Amino acid sequence: DAKTTQPNSMESNEEEPVHLPCNHSTISGTDYIHWYRQLPSQGPEYVIHGLTSNVNNRMASLAIAEDRKSSTLILHRATLRDAAVYYCILRDGNAGNMLTFGGGTRLMVKP
Amino acid sequence: EAGVAQSPRYKIIEKRQSVAFWCNPISGHATLYWYQQILGQGPKLLIQFQNNGVVDDSQLPKDRFSAERLKGVDSTLKIQPAKLEDSAVYLCASRRETGNTIYFGEGSWLTVV
Repeated sequence: DAKTTQPNSMESNEEEPVHLPCNHSTISGTDYIHWYRQLPSQGPEYVIHGLTSNVNNRMASLAIAEDRKSSTLILHRATLRDAAVYYCILRDGNAGNMLTFGGGTRLMVKP
Repeated sequence: EAGVAQSPRYKIIEKRQSVAFWCNPISGHATLYWYQQILGQGPKLLIQFQNNGVVDDSQLPKDRFSAERLKGVDSTLKIQPAKLEDSAVYLCASRRETGNTIYFGEGSWLTVV
């Protein structure tokens, strides 16, 4: 799986939007962009994924750059329960279905 | 829908002892994964099963780690003998054969002293 680069940590204020960046300059045409998050003392949970177009679901939005070399996970109104480590992962849609995790971004939400 | 179940939740053993972790995936999920997560790091894949066959075990330390999924449902991960560096959370995950989403259990926390 291609490598991703994320900031180690970010801070946000409660009820404000959060933009979590991810760089993936070596992405290939068949790589899907997945985001998972891991709350304290829990296993990772799926947030959202996309290929080329921006995606929205009840948890978040995913904005994908036109050249696909970067993406941004958007939490529209951060809550204290959103404090977690967020992982941006590339998964080859043609080969294998495992996820290769990097270090992720630790999001801290201040009341 | 019930999630991925793992047990035990916590285990403390001495080095050179053995330990086994059990996983029951979501019903109907053909693919099962075991990941190891050392404190402060992202999870690392140990082994992937498709039904009862191994798809990828390239990162499993086979001299001490073993895993099986005999009937294509539950799975067991064993460590024998354990080393101090095996202290980690062992995460089991599963996925529907045609699905994109991987579902994780809460993990089994291992401390080797």
